[in-house]
Amino acid sequence: DGGITQSPKYLFRKEGQNVTLSCEQNLNHDAMYWYRQDPGQGLRLIYYSQIVNDFQKGDIAEGYSVSREKKESFPLTVTSAQKNPTAFYLCASSIAQGGNQPQHFGDGTRLSIL
Amino acid sequence: DAKTTQPTSMDCAEGRAANLPCNHSTISGNEYVYWYRQIHSQGPQYIIHGLKNNETNEMASLIITEDRKSSTLILPHATLRDTAVYYCIVRGVNDYKLSFGAGTTVTVRA
Repeated sequence: DGGITQSPKYLFRKEGQNVTLSCEQNLNHDAMYWYRQDPGQGLRLIYYSQIVNDFQKGDIAEGYSVSREKKESFPLTVTSAQKNPTAFYLCASSIAQGGNQPQHFGDGTRLSIL
Repeated sequence: DAKTTQPTSMDCAEGRAANLPCNHSTISGNEYVYWYRQIHSQGPQYIIHGLKNNETNEMASLIITEDRKSSTLILPHATLRDTAVYYCIVRGVNDYKLSFGAGTTVTVRA
């Protein structure tokens, strides 16, 4: 079954700790995205990648880092510099970047602070 | 900067068609109309998108008015599993990110 897999579903972070959220897709999509969704708010773009070994900052990249070493994988690290990390994190992918290409989402990772 | 306007909520009966309206009066010629939905605690699900013509897929139909200032998403036979928040979005051909507004909370009742 083709799709986007995010893991873990729930994650807890201690003060001063970095945590990494996994995102894997088997749709053969070139573009991948990380969004953050807070209660009652819309999506905010953290990072995006058009192609392997390339990625760009989105609107709220501070305190986050990513890598894109393989086409199918786009992990997100929430660093200790991110002071308000509690949120629902969503990974998406599309065949290519652009407004005529739908983005497909995983089921998200909910991050909380211990 | 809201590009779309949707009703806050709507109810529909199980087994009946659900018609979800969306106004996008400032849409420009190269902007697409997209529909997504999000069931509680899950990731958004792509439903359908279109530019000018009406579109249909296995999930829904999208009817876009001739002047493109409004559209309607039609779920032909609503089920309880269609209960979700539905988002109507306008995206330009060069837009690389999605922006959701408040959406319409749709409740399907038995």
